[in-house]
Amino acid sequence: RKEVEQDPGPFNVPEGATVAFNCTYSNSASQSFFWYRQDCRKEPKLLMSVYSSGNEDGRFTAQLNRASQYISLLIRDSKLSDSATYLCVVSGGNSNYQLIWGAGTKLIIKP
Amino acid sequence: DAGVIQSPRHEVTEMGQEVTLRCKPISGHNSLFWYRQTMMRGLELLIYFNNNVPIDDSGMPEDRFSAKMPNASFSTLKIQPSEPRDSAVYFCASSYLLAGGGNEQFFGPGTRLTVL
Repeated sequence: RKEVEQDPGPFNVPEGATVAFNCTYSNSASQSFFWYRQDCRKEPKLLMSVYSSGNEDGRFTAQLNRASQYISLLIRDSKLSDSATYLCVVSGGNSNYQLIWGAGTKLIIKP
Repeated sequence: DAGVIQSPRHEVTEMGQEVTLRCKPISGHNSLFWYRQTMMRGLELLIYFNNNVPIDDSGMPEDRFSAKMPNASFSTLKIQPSEPRDSAVYFCASSYLLAGGGNEQFFGPGTRLTVL
């Protein structure tokens, strides 16, 4: 089993729709959780950190479920510019520096 | 701040040649990471430095790969000799690692390496 698992997609979604991704992780000791966004042929960039209480940033909402060991990302009112690969990232647990990267979920927003 | 700077942005070389990739982390950050990304294997951590000291190099594929960080503002990743299977995008990232957490990493634009 991979340490961080994501559905690779692609998710093809019409503009304006709501889309949600889940990501599961295997290390119950993990303390830090992130969603990164990577555009084609670009570097990963932090989209948002994921806090235990859940957090929202504009159209984006992230949730953490420690009991089931998954995190989620919800995008409302999707825009064409949201098309990208979304990477789920989890800290290594015993090693705070180590980030374990999911393979990413590809999102395509269609007009 | 200019962010993480990497050079070159693109490198095309022939099998057997030495390749040196360079990275300048964000000023004030205490941690530096070298990653490799391919379609098949995704993003892989190669090596991690903290305060210029290599902490974990377990991801370095083999002895052909070496990395150095002579000071807080510069790091190199060297491949000698290079092989076609080394073709990938190599990212450098830096962060300010706190003892209790908070390890957001900032990535450079990457070096796209092609070994013929």
